[in-house]
Amino acid sequence: SQKIEQNSEALNIQEGKTATLTCNYTNYSPAYLQWYRQDPGRGPVFLLLIRENEKEKRKERLKVTFDTTLKQSLFHITASQPADSATYLCAREGSGGSYIPTFGRGTSLIVHP
Amino acid sequence: DSGVTQTPKHLITATGQRVTLRCSPRSGDLSVYWYQQSLDQGLQFLIQYYNGEERAKGNILERFSAQQFPDLHSELNLSSLELGDSALYFCASSVAQSYEQYFGPGTRLTVT
Repeated sequence: SQKIEQNSEALNIQEGKTATLTCNYTNYSPAYLQWYRQDPGRGPVFLLLIRENEKEKRKERLKVTFDTTLKQSLFHITASQPADSATYLCAREGSGGSYIPTFGRGTSLIVHP
Repeated sequence: DSGVTQTPKHLITATGQRVTLRCSPRSGDLSVYWYQQSLDQGLQFLIQYYNGEERAKGNILERFSAQQFPDLHSELNLSSLELGDSALYFCASSVAQSYEQYFGPGTRLTVT
């Protein structure tokens, strides 16, 4: 079955630095990957979707890459701020191209002032 | 604010009981999805409804059921509750079949 693997260890960085989170997937390359932000006790918020044929996508301070050779997506937040502290979830399409995403467990990002 | 509402916000109940969680999707969204999130399992898809009909099923227990009403709100019924059912339950909605889902604030269920 398809799996999404994210680093379970929290990422601690200093304000102003670039945060980079990793998402690895197994089996076949998905048609897309999504990134969500989740604050404690709240619902995930959709951030970006990147398709298999889009090597890179940007939205304001966010950048996502999709490397089908490494079976990996990287999520970057440039000029990070304490307000960026949250858990970031990666998700892939479900089996058979289903619209139901398979989520990773998420990586916690802590930005220190 | 995603536009998706869920009630109640918190629910504390005893083992063996039955509860109903309610979700109202964003205006215009026809699809509703239910997810369970616990510390050891992450975000797990339970079930999807589209315009009143069940469209997809995930890791939903037989003790759990859901429905979507003509006004498109949805209810998730959890019965014969066990301690292990304690979790956050999220509802999400989307326009038809869409990759982008909008999540509600969740219902925190505690089974004692």
